[in-house]
Amino acid sequence: NAGVTQTPKFQVLKTGQSMTLQCAQDMNHEYMSWYRQDPGMGLRLIHYSVGAGITDQGEVPNGYNVSRSTTEDFPLRLLSAAPSQTSVYFCATHEGSSYEQYFGPGTRLTVT
Amino acid sequence: AQSVTQPDIHITVSEGASLELRCNYSYGATPYLFWYVQSPGQGLQLLLKYFSGDTLVQGIKGFEAEFKRSQSSFNLRKPSVHWSDAAEYFCAVGLYNQGGKLIFGQGTELSVKP
Repeated sequence: NAGVTQTPKFQVLKTGQSMTLQCAQDMNHEYMSWYRQDPGMGLRLIHYSVGAGITDQGEVPNGYNVSRSTTEDFPLRLLSAAPSQTSVYFCATHEGSSYEQYFGPGTRLTVT
Repeated sequence: AQSVTQPDIHITVSEGASLELRCNYSYGATPYLFWYVQSPGQGLQLLLKYFSGDTLVQGIKGFEAEFKRSQSSFNLRKPSVHWSDAAEYFCAVGLYNQGGKLIFGQGTELSVKP
């Protein structure tokens, strides 16, 4: 089992460009989340999903969109990238009955 | 509002010395508590968790943590640090009434002197 996979590992964007960060899991977990990690701020929740077709906002949702059409995939979209979105992005999953989250390896995004 | 505070941004200890990393939380109900470790350039790995029961929990790599409700704390300890423990450590609260969302502390970076 691969667990939680994220692509790409690294990405450089220009301001105003769009892109999608991919997250996939083969653990059959209901819950999936996106976090961003910035120095001195820990990890902050962007969006999360409690199952296919159901998403909700976290602490810092502005500038990001998500959708969940399957259990396995939970892509994060940046419609118009800004330098403030330069960060490391982590996807995580967990079962509904357990709050132990499993994290992907992360995507390092730089917006110039 | 829920929050997690890790008062120490950076700690340096000598190899073989004991370690305690502090974590305080603010949450209106009984919390689910976690400690994660992140090695440079890596994702997060769960060290240990507390849901209920015995307030002293054991984790991987020789770590333990103690939940103290009266102090709203969940400090991480290790009796003898190894050079490979150098990493960043995050405390987190799981919001069980909000689908298990995690609120993270700011992190504590641990350096180990030979």
